[in-house]
Amino acid sequence: EAEVAQSPRYKITEKSQAVAFWCDPISGHATLYWYRQILGQGPELLVQFQDESVVDDSQLPKDRFSAERLKGVDSTLKIQPAELGDSAMYLCASSLAGQGEQYFGPGTRLTVT
Amino acid sequence: SQKIEQNSEALNIQEGKTATLTCNYTNYSPAYLQWYRQDPGRGPVFLLLIRENEKEKRKERLKVTFDTTLKQSLFHITASQPADSATYLCAATSGTYKYIFGTGTRLKVLA
Repeated sequence: EAEVAQSPRYKITEKSQAVAFWCDPISGHATLYWYRQILGQGPELLVQFQDESVVDDSQLPKDRFSAERLKGVDSTLKIQPAELGDSAMYLCASSLAGQGEQYFGPGTRLTVT
Repeated sequence: SQKIEQNSEALNIQEGKTATLTCNYTNYSPAYLQWYRQDPGRGPVFLLLIRENEKEKRKERLKVTFDTTLKQSLFHITASQPADSATYLCAATSGTYKYIFGTGTRLKVLA
């Protein structure tokens, strides 16, 4: 069964450092989402791509976060510089264009010290 | 602002009983509602989707309802089992496929 791949699974970084996360969606899925999930809360959308275009990044802290999906396939989310409050699970999900259900990857657990 | 609310208190039920979880929305008219299951340290797993023109959807032991008058969705697990213990998330979209998630309700099924 096809799955969404994410790496790394865990990342510990010091504040003010740069960190990057990678996501490979299910083949053929045009829509890709990056979410942040703080423990005990639901996922919060950071950015949504349709193919290589950003559809929504209204909740992305653009002074420190950036995201790209250059060829409309895999995607990278970057944080520079990382802050203590960025500690969270970062989830990537994908879906077929026109379909509702999202398929989530295993997530990257980020700890900023 | 648009809000999706789920009961943040954990729900404990006995094995074999029906678990009912609630999702309420405010300042919002979602076209679709989805329910996901999330186990600790893992990504959410899609369970069911219901459209605004559907009152009820079923899949095996799962049932979801969508009441646009009450602005509420109910999620039922019949004949619950300890393996059903997890956090269940409600998510809504107005049709742009941007989803707003609730905080989730933790369900514990006691053997």
